[in-house]
Amino acid sequence: AQSVTQLGSHVSVSEGALVLLRCNYSSSVPPYLFWYVQYPNQGLQLLLKYTTGATLVKGINGFEAEFKKSETSFHLTKPSAHMSDAAEYFCAATGGFGNEKLTFGTGTRLTIIP
Amino acid sequence: GAVVSQHPSWVICKSGTSVKIECRSLDFQATTMFWYRQFPKQSLMLMATSNEGSKATYEQGVEKDKFLINHASLTLSTLTVTSAHPEDSSFYICSALAGYSNQPQHFGDGTRLSIL
Repeated sequence: AQSVTQLGSHVSVSEGALVLLRCNYSSSVPPYLFWYVQYPNQGLQLLLKYTTGATLVKGINGFEAEFKKSETSFHLTKPSAHMSDAAEYFCAATGGFGNEKLTFGTGTRLTIIP
Repeated sequence: GAVVSQHPSWVICKSGTSVKIECRSLDFQATTMFWYRQFPKQSLMLMATSNEGSKATYEQGVEKDKFLINHASLTLSTLTVTSAHPEDSSFYICSALAGYSNQPQHFGDGTRLSIL
């Protein structure tokens, strides 16, 4: 069974500061990893994904994440926070090829301080 | 691209009624669709997985007779909450998968269900 852990249910950063949202996974097979963002009363929007290949992946809105197998991590970063980044962020993983079920982390609420 | 439409976005109804929620993939054919439930300030809980033309696969603890899922075509799946009660009040979200597991799921905007 796989699991996804997001450290920090709430993260606050100042506008213009670095955003770092942490995600660790445990899986017996190489997982596919995703970051999604959710705004209030809306569904989830894909920020980025990692399946194979380059371990540093770039997504929308200036976000990127790096897959580190040795650390079983897939942390999300953005160099400079914007007020519009305030939202709930979910890290998720599937069990690799042929296993489409997504396992979600518990989410991190990002607050941007003006 | 990859738009998923979920309808209705908000529904309020009396206890004992049945509510149907539709999930449509607008610009792609979805090989698999998923239904999730999300409680306030919590993560998404997978309820069931559905493939077109076959019976849905429910997660442990999800009542099949309470949450009826029909996946009639490659672009439409429906979730019917039968004889809804206040404890069924929640945010329900569907997602659709266009291909294999290395592709992302595309999510609808969710349906907020309130049972009085």
